[in-house]
Amino acid sequence: SAVISQKPSRDICQRGTSLTIQCQVDSQVTMMFWYRQQPGQSLTLIATANQGSEATYESGFVIDKFPISRPNLTFSTLTVSNMSPEDSSIYLCSVIFQGTAYEQYFGPGTRLTVT
Amino acid sequence: QKEVEQNSGPLSVPEGAIASLNCTYSDRGSQSFFWYRQYSGKSPELIMFIYSNGDKEDGRFTAQLNKASQYVSLLIRDSQPSDSATYLCAVNQGGKLIFGQGTELSVKP
Repeated sequence: SAVISQKPSRDICQRGTSLTIQCQVDSQVTMMFWYRQQPGQSLTLIATANQGSEATYESGFVIDKFPISRPNLTFSTLTVSNMSPEDSSIYLCSVIFQGTAYEQYFGPGTRLTVT
Repeated sequence: QKEVEQNSGPLSVPEGAIASLNCTYSDRGSQSFFWYRQYSGKSPELIMFIYSNGDKEDGRFTAQLNKASQYVSLLIRDSQPSDSATYLCAVNQGGKLIFGQGTELSVKP
């Protein structure tokens, strides 16, 4: 079965710094997404990562804070910029595989703590 | 009104019983529905999806969809302690997944 990997799996960062999270898939995908799951909460969609063009952001999320790249079909990065403690969350990428309809599969997540 | 609503639980059932998890949604135009299982400290795992009214069975899991009443449910037969997790209902609205808050299930031996 296909593998979705994320790096790093966890990190502790100081406020004001930035962290880039990578998502790599070993199969062809049609769509990639980035979600945030704050402690004790459900999942919130940050943006849809579009190949070769700017990501599509959801209400409340902006490119300056969460720049996203997707240079090819199977790789994407999310940067959390100018971090504050409120950014402490689990960040997850998800994908829809080629040949499927709408089913999204999640990577293992990146647990971010901002001090 | 929340777009996707679930009882937060916890729902406690004895081992071997049927666990019933429910979800309602507000967008009548939604066409696809998903159930994810999330163990503590892990990412969500897709366990069922359903696109048509009625029942869909996969092993011990049955998803039920009623679009007229705007609800979707998940039944887990012969519940096992390993089924203890948070179950997230998700609804596809305009190509985006909207998640409920999740129901915590505890299966007692």
